[in-house]
Amino acid sequence: EADIYQTPRYLVIGTGKKITLECSQTMGHDKMYWYQQDPGMELHLIHYSYGVNSTEKGDLSSESTVSRIRTEHFPLTLESARPSHTSQYLCASSEYANTEAFFGQGTRLTVV
Amino acid sequence: DAKTTQPTSMDCAEGRAANLPCNHSTISGNEYVYWYRQIHSQGPQYIIHGLKNNETNEMASLIITEDRKSSTLILPHATLRDTAVYYCIVRGTGGTSYGKLTFGQGTILTVHP
Repeated sequence: EADIYQTPRYLVIGTGKKITLECSQTMGHDKMYWYQQDPGMELHLIHYSYGVNSTEKGDLSSESTVSRIRTEHFPLTLESARPSHTSQYLCASSEYANTEAFFGQGTRLTVV
Repeated sequence: DAKTTQPTSMDCAEGRAANLPCNHSTISGNEYVYWYRQIHSQGPQYIIHGLKNNETNEMASLIITEDRKSSTLILPHATLRDTAVYYCIVRGTGGTSYGKLTFGQGTILTVHP
């Protein structure tokens, strides 16, 4: 059973609001990742981190930002939400780069 | 990361083995083959991974060809709950692709009674 948690599971918010999606893991993993997935589409990596104070942009450009102040916590922030940000956001972590990654249940974001 | 090619969809009868193929002809020597599945847009679930030897765990078996250009995921006794999208991923362990999982379209496996 993977110990990685995302909150909230569902979020409906108005345009222009600032939001933070939370991701926490209790496995002590250094590697953490954020993916974005539109309904019926592929997952795209938008951010990743190899440890505290390390963050990198992923393969898909995103207006979101991330931080990694603590090993267990990897929040994603949108400063001003827009309808184009409507999607599912999935967080994952792994102990090493060549070990399995565990995914959270995702946050389904709707911006109206 | 090496690209992978999978069939768009497959069907399987309940209780039978499901064999899901994957081509990864440009795989590098230090890249692993990973399999994940995703049920109803939940978070992807890890199934199995391997480098060059065949692997087996409680969920599935992974058969990798000797030249490593293709692999097959085997679910030995498929159940209705195995209906999902199955992703074959080649995962880099060096350079800018270090540790990243790059998902493709995957194979939609439908298990029917």
